[in-house]
Amino acid sequence: AQSVTQPDIHITVSEGASLELRCNYSYGATPYLFWYVQSPGQGLQLLLKYFSGDTLVQGIKGFEAEFKRSQSSFNLRKPSVHWSDAAEYFCAVGATSYDKVIFGPGTSLSVIP
Amino acid sequence: GAVVSQHPSRVICKSGTSVKIECRSLDFQATTMFWYRQFPKKSLMLMATSNEGSKATYEQGVEKDKFLINHASLTLSTLTVTSAHPEDSSFYICRGEREGGNEQFFGPGTRLTVL
Repeated sequence: AQSVTQPDIHITVSEGASLELRCNYSYGATPYLFWYVQSPGQGLQLLLKYFSGDTLVQGIKGFEAEFKRSQSSFNLRKPSVHWSDAAEYFCAVGATSYDKVIFGPGTSLSVIP
Repeated sequence: GAVVSQHPSRVICKSGTSVKIECRSLDFQATTMFWYRQFPKKSLMLMATSNEGSKATYEQGVEKDKFLINHASLTLSTLTVTSAHPEDSSFYICRGEREGGNEQFFGPGTRLTVL
């Protein structure tokens, strides 16, 4: 069965510090992998996605993610966090880039000034 | 970029009434719309997939008679919560797939509160 786990429910980092959000997935084939961000009361914004090619994917807002097949992971990183990055982050998996997408439970990020 | 709108953004209704939520693709034709539900501080749960001109496909555990989905045109899908109960209070989000493409666009969501 397809599933996505995000081990960290909540993370707090200081502004300017580096960030890594973890994501692990279970999927029968090579999936499409996504990271979304949701600001309070807002809809979702796609940060980046991966299907094939270079395992290090660059996204918007300075985010990147690395696909590691051996670990079934797709962790999101940012070298220097800004206060505006405080939001909920969702990892997701799908069979294609436009089909059903299954979301992980989310990680809430707080940024300390 | 493509935009998906939802209306209303917020709605408060009394228990037992029905509420209709609209999802529109503003600058592209969406052959497929997905409807998600998000509980407070929880992840998104896929409710159903609707294709223009055909019946929606509901996920397991979602009551199709309670959550009526209509996708009458390539730019509009509606979700009607019938006989709403307080437990239906949630954040409902739609996602549109561009016709012939492989891109997905989320709407901003509709917050439903049932009193």
